[in-house]
Amino acid sequence: GEDVEQSLFLSVREGDSSVINCTYTDSSSTYLYWYKQEPGAGLQLLTYIFSNMDMKQDQRLTVLLNKKDKHLSLRIADTQTGDSAIYFCAESIQAGTALIFGKGTTLSVSS
Amino acid sequence: NAGVTQTPKFRILKIGQSMTLQCTQDMNHNYMYWYRQDPGMGLKLIYYSVGAGITDKGEVPNGYNVSRSTTEDFPLRLELAAPSQTSVYFCASSSLGGTYEQYFGPGTRLTVT
Repeated sequence: GEDVEQSLFLSVREGDSSVINCTYTDSSSTYLYWYKQEPGAGLQLLTYIFSNMDMKQDQRLTVLLNKKDKHLSLRIADTQTGDSAIYFCAESIQAGTALIFGKGTTLSVSS
Repeated sequence: NAGVTQTPKFRILKIGQSMTLQCTQDMNHNYMYWYRQDPGMGLKLIYYSVGAGITDKGEVPNGYNVSRSTTEDFPLRLELAAPSQTSVYFCASSSLGGTYEQYFGPGTRLTVT
């Protein structure tokens, strides 16, 4: 079956690193994504990783994929108050099908 | 490019009323989707379309209808609104190739009382 699990909350101090974790169950997932949702707004694509990669870095963001354990993580370096939002992990099996979303992790950054 | 636009931003409906949520994309994407987001939950797929004239049900289609007469537009129709349809509705689109990522509109917040 298809299911994506995330922890619900993470609280960090400004300047620290944040690590948001996600597990998924469908081994046929082709792409895995991280979306950010700010209050009252839509979802913004942050980054994605193809299933044959194990790491992707994009400025302050690092995505790690452990395909054997079906575990995905998003690390945000030097976390800022503007990073406070809900972060959704999502998987895609093929083009034209729905993304399967986790319930989201609320990141709270204190100064 | 405006990307994906949705109207209205907010709406309050009485039980039994009907309405249409509008969605338009200007990226010439083949695929379009409607999701609903309930508090503390991820997004659930209502309907999707792989091209003009073609639509299909998602995970939670009951109480909704869609049409896709053009590539750009994908309206979602609610007939006989019920309190269980109180939610935030997101429209998204994606292209045929590439990395399958979906681009989301800003959402419509609907309350049924």
